Amino acid sequence: GDSVTQMEGPVTLSEEAFLTINCTYTATGYPSLFWYVQYPGEGLQLLLKATKADDKGSNKGFEATYRKETTSFHLEKGSVQVSDSAVYFCAHIANAGGTSYGKLTFGQGTILTVHP
Amino acid sequence: GAGVSQTPSNKVTEKGKYVELRCDPISGHTALYWYRQSLGQGPEFLIYFQGTGAADDSGLPNDRFFAVRPEGSVSTLKIQRTERGDSAVYLCASSPSGTGTEAFFGQGTRLTVV
Repeated sequence: GDSVTQMEGPVTLSEEAFLTINCTYTATGYPSLFWYVQYPGEGLQLLLKATKADDKGSNKGFEATYRKETTSFHLEKGSVQVSDSAVYFCAHIANAGGTSYGKLTFGQGTILTVHP
Repeated sequence: GAGVSQTPSNKVTEKGKYVELRCDPISGHTALYWYRQSLGQGPEFLIYFQGTGAADDSGLPNDRFFAVRPEGSVSTLKIQRTERGDSAVYLCASSPSGTGTEAFFGQGTRLTVV
């Protein structure tokens, strides 16, 4: 069935370190891929997305590239800040014949803590 | 309103009681989703509305769970005979059309069954 697997956390980094959070997926059809972020005390927010193979989503210095051959959508940032501390969720919308209804399937989340 | 609003933000109820959770989507959004997030997990899909109708309720765990959206705007998730295992954060999201465009999430209702 459709699923999303992301690297287990928590991840603890120093400010300005390089960040990678791995995400792989299984899906029927041609999924759209997303990273959502949940800052402390706030709701889920879309961070970035990619809708077809080789697309790169980017926002706030974060990037992720849709790799169909490896079914991956790894999140990267070159230099993290304390304000990036949050929970990050990889997700997809499976798109088997267009009947996905925009239903998101999420990974389990990765807690990121950035220290000064 | 400016975003998706969920009320109450917290709800504590006794085992066996009935609860209702409310979601006010962004005005004009035809698609509305309910998700459930257990501690340490990602959100899991419960039900999807397109307008007034439940187009996909495959994620509802059992018949104690029911949701309505009678006028195509506000939605209510109803849980009968609550159990301790129902304790979770219930998230509502809306999107303009439900075709895979961005979904906007509310802050959720934290339900605790004691």
